[in-house]
Amino acid sequence: GAVVSQHPSRVICKSGTSVKIECRSLDFQATTMFWYRQFPKKSLMLMATSNEGSKATYEQGVEKDKFLINHASLTLSTLTVTSAHPEDSSFYICSARELSSYNEQFFGPGTRLTVL
Amino acid sequence: AQKITQTQPGMFVQEKEAVTLDCTYDTSDPSYGLFWYKQPSSGEMIFLIYQGSYDQQNATEGRYSLNFQKARKSANLVISASQLGDSAMYFCAMRADDSWGKLQFGAGTQVVVTP
Repeated sequence: GAVVSQHPSRVICKSGTSVKIECRSLDFQATTMFWYRQFPKKSLMLMATSNEGSKATYEQGVEKDKFLINHASLTLSTLTVTSAHPEDSSFYICSARELSSYNEQFFGPGTRLTVL
Repeated sequence: AQKITQTQPGMFVQEKEAVTLDCTYDTSDPSYGLFWYKQPSSGEMIFLIYQGSYDQQNATEGRYSLNFQKARKSANLVISASQLGDSAMYFCAMRADDSWGKLQFGAGTQVVVTP
C-alpha cells in the first residue's frame, strides 16, 4: 500500500516556541491531506483539510493562526504549531488521499509533541 | 450532522475466540463509507476494512468481517480467531459525503486479547 511519512516522530520543545511537522506521501501524489489530533486514550479529531495549492479548511474550534498548515506540493503538507504551550501537547497524525481513490486514506505514523 | 458511536470502551477476549465490536452511525447522506482502523500502542493507524453504503454484501478481509445492517445504521466489526497481536484500540469511522472524503471517528474500543 501507499506510504505516508511524518517527521519528526517525537519532539519536545519549550513553551513559546514554534514546531513544524512534515507529512509526506512517498509513492503517490496526495491532492488532499488531513491533519488530526489525538489526546491519550481518546479518538482522532480532525483539525483541518489541506488541498494542494490552496488554503486549508479548518474544523470548527481549531485556531487557524495557532495551527498553520501549508500544502505546497502534491507530496508534502506541513503543520506548524505556533507559540506552543503545554496544552498543545498531543499526538498529531496526518493522512493523505490520492486523487484517484476517494475511499482510501493513508495515515502517517504520527508525531508526539510535548511542550514543556 | 453526522455522528458515529462506539459504546464499548474496552473488551477482553480470549485467544482464538471471535469478538464483535459495535459501531452505530447517523447520517442523512444517502452515500457514505464506513471504515474500521486498528491503532496499536505504537500509534500508527492500520486500515482494516471498508464498507460502502451501496454495497450489497458485507465486506470481509481475512479474519475481519463487517456486519453491515443499513436499516439499523450499524457497522459492527467481527474479528475471528483472535490473536495476541490483535490487542489494540479499534476505531470505526465514517467518510463524509463531501468532495474531500474526510473521516469522522468514533470514540474507539480497546481490545485486550488474553492467552
